[in-house]
Amino acid sequence: GAGVSQSPSNKVTEKGKDVELRCDPISGHTALYWYRQSLGQGLEFLIYFQGNSAPDKSGLPSDRFSAERTGGSVSTLTIQRTQQEDSAVYLCASSFMGGRGNTEAFFGQGTRLTVV
Amino acid sequence: GNSVTQMEGPVTLSEEAFLTINCTYTATGYPSLFWYVQYPGEGLQLLLKATKADDKGSNKGFEATYRKETTSFHLEKGSVQVSDSAVYFCALSEFNQGGKLIFGQGTELSVKP
Repeated sequence: GAGVSQSPSNKVTEKGKDVELRCDPISGHTALYWYRQSLGQGLEFLIYFQGNSAPDKSGLPSDRFSAERTGGSVSTLTIQRTQQEDSAVYLCASSFMGGRGNTEAFFGQGTRLTVV
Repeated sequence: GNSVTQMEGPVTLSEEAFLTINCTYTATGYPSLFWYVQYPGEGLQLLLKATKADDKGSNKGFEATYRKETTSFHLEKGSVQVSDSAVYFCALSEFNQGGKLIFGQGTELSVKP
């Protein structure tokens, strides 16, 4: 497809279970971001992948959160032993890194995670 | 480190009123600046951008000018409509900081008829 695709669009899980969220970025985009948006809150940066560089993991809230990007394309965000405070919309975005910095980022529709 | 600060919301205006949403930034070099918008129930989308000092980004009647001397990128619209009700996010990206997008906290705008 032409845009950033995230799956699933909605996920309800029981506290303590692990979840995996998937992001398919726009083809050719070198940068990929994960953000979290809680109800009525702003965007919380989680992790940033740029080409073959080591990812910027400075936003991951705990060691229960991890992400990988395989082959410079698809990314998976994994949350282990989910807690109720993990409930949020998880947004993925991708962009192209040009000579002056990143071009605009295109966002997916997000995965709404509910931990019960 | 780099950061973006936006005026707090929510901002409530009457239709056809003038809108300003303030955004200031801190950066070590020469970032690109962006405004993103999130309409109710929708994803984030780019509204406008500016890549160098004194550039003016514009789209859908919104404008913002990259002011290096005041490190600002205020969003303005001369006459808002009910359909402009949304959350607006200011953001920057700086090449020598890896290009990562850094967002402000967002400003919710509500336009009443």
